[in-house]
Amino acid sequence: SQQGEEDPQALSIQEGENATMNCSYKTSINNLQWYRQNSGRGLVHLILIRSNEREKHSGRLRVTLDTSKKSSSLLITASRAADTASYFCATRRGGATNKLIFGTGTLLAVQP
Amino acid sequence: GAGVSQSPSNKVTEKGKDVELRCDPISGHTALYWYRQSLGQGLEFLIYFQGNSAPDKSGLPSDRFSAERTGGSVSTLTIQRTQQEDSAVYLCASSLVLGRGGELFFGEGSRLTVL
Repeated sequence: SQQGEEDPQALSIQEGENATMNCSYKTSINNLQWYRQNSGRGLVHLILIRSNEREKHSGRLRVTLDTSKKSSSLLITASRAADTASYFCATRRGGATNKLIFGTGTLLAVQP
Repeated sequence: GAGVSQSPSNKVTEKGKDVELRCDPISGHTALYWYRQSLGQGLEFLIYFQGNSAPDKSGLPSDRFSAERTGGSVSTLTIQRTQQEDSAVYLCASSLVLGRGGELFFGEGSRLTVL
């Protein structure tokens, strides 16, 4: 079963609006990462947040992590049509394994 | 090359045939992952190689699936006696585990269609 579950499964917004996607996970983690996938392509890494961090920014992206609730959110500000893609969270657990487990993804559509 | 390279990009095969999918990771990356993505779905972990350690095969769905990584570089995912439910995009990724948090660099995938 997937470690992460994103919601919503699909999100449609207008250009210029902000988009918020959420990710929940089940076990303790070492870090959490967000990836983007354009249709029919491979995934591209966006941002990583470590378990001891609560918030991180990168350009128009803002990621938060709440380890007590086992959840993370990805905020894209001032969205553009080019942001249209699927967004996945992925968790890396602590301990011996470096396996990275992906969530189910949020399909974001930004209407021009 | 500069990125992760996968081949073939598309493969159509008949049910019952064996297929091999190849992944050429970024030079120097010690970790290599295989994932499977069915249409419109998330990524399903298959197998993970890390240096000379025993691979983590916990995601392989059946004994028809196997993978090897030769010389710590190129990896081949083999599916024997393919079934229609094996149809999916198979994604390979590599990473520097000890550097930069271990983010993955993905190839463009191999799309497998089993008729």
